[in-house]
Amino acid sequence: GAVVSQHPSWVICKSGTSVKIECRSLDFQATTMFWYRQFPKQSLMLMATSNEGSKATYEQGVEKDKFLINHASLTLSTLTVTSAHPEDSSFYICSARDGTVISYEQYFGPGTRLTVT
Amino acid sequence: EDQVTQSPEALRLQEGESSSLNCSYTVSGLRGLFWYRQDPGKGPEFLFTLYSAGEEKEKERLKATLTKKESFLHITAPKPEDSATYLCAVHYDKIIFGKGTRLHILP
Repeated sequence: GAVVSQHPSWVICKSGTSVKIECRSLDFQATTMFWYRQFPKQSLMLMATSNEGSKATYEQGVEKDKFLINHASLTLSTLTVTSAHPEDSSFYICSARDGTVISYEQYFGPGTRLTVT
Repeated sequence: EDQVTQSPEALRLQEGESSSLNCSYTVSGLRGLFWYRQDPGKGPEFLFTLYSAGEEKEKERLKATLTKKESFLHITAPKPEDSATYLCAVHYDKIIFGKGTRLHILP
């Protein structure tokens, strides 16, 4: 149980274009989803927290107009990187919390490697 | 400033050589401490949640313990497949991750 998928697993795009990453909870209802980015040999940096049906809460320093997050259902959240630039190249990981249990454990997706050329 | 510090940054062990990884924290109002395993190029895999000092949890060769200031992840008789980065995360009014310990088990 507690499986989270991400799509795509890797993507290469040109500078100035937009990229959408999907995060799905496959066997539980995810009332809260999180988006992280991770640079090589660095820890996870929380970008934003989203609750189903609500606007995402962004961490300080994360541009909400650049990283658009939509959490339209209990099983799907999307992150759209708009007008991507090479410095946006990173490993993006989503996680989800099971809303049916009293627990704060997060279950992570496999990540998406974004390369902006 | 609230902090989560993991040590050592990297650890190389021979197969079968037991050791411990440390996660120290300086947050107040701890709600839970999590341990994750992360393989290169993959998302973290959940291992344990600890909620209160004195609590212990075990899974195969791993045992996690918690005090009021730190948590240890003990690995007993490790195998090469235990090689990974181990992350701890602390939940108070938010969740913050440590930088991880890169563990390498030599056959």
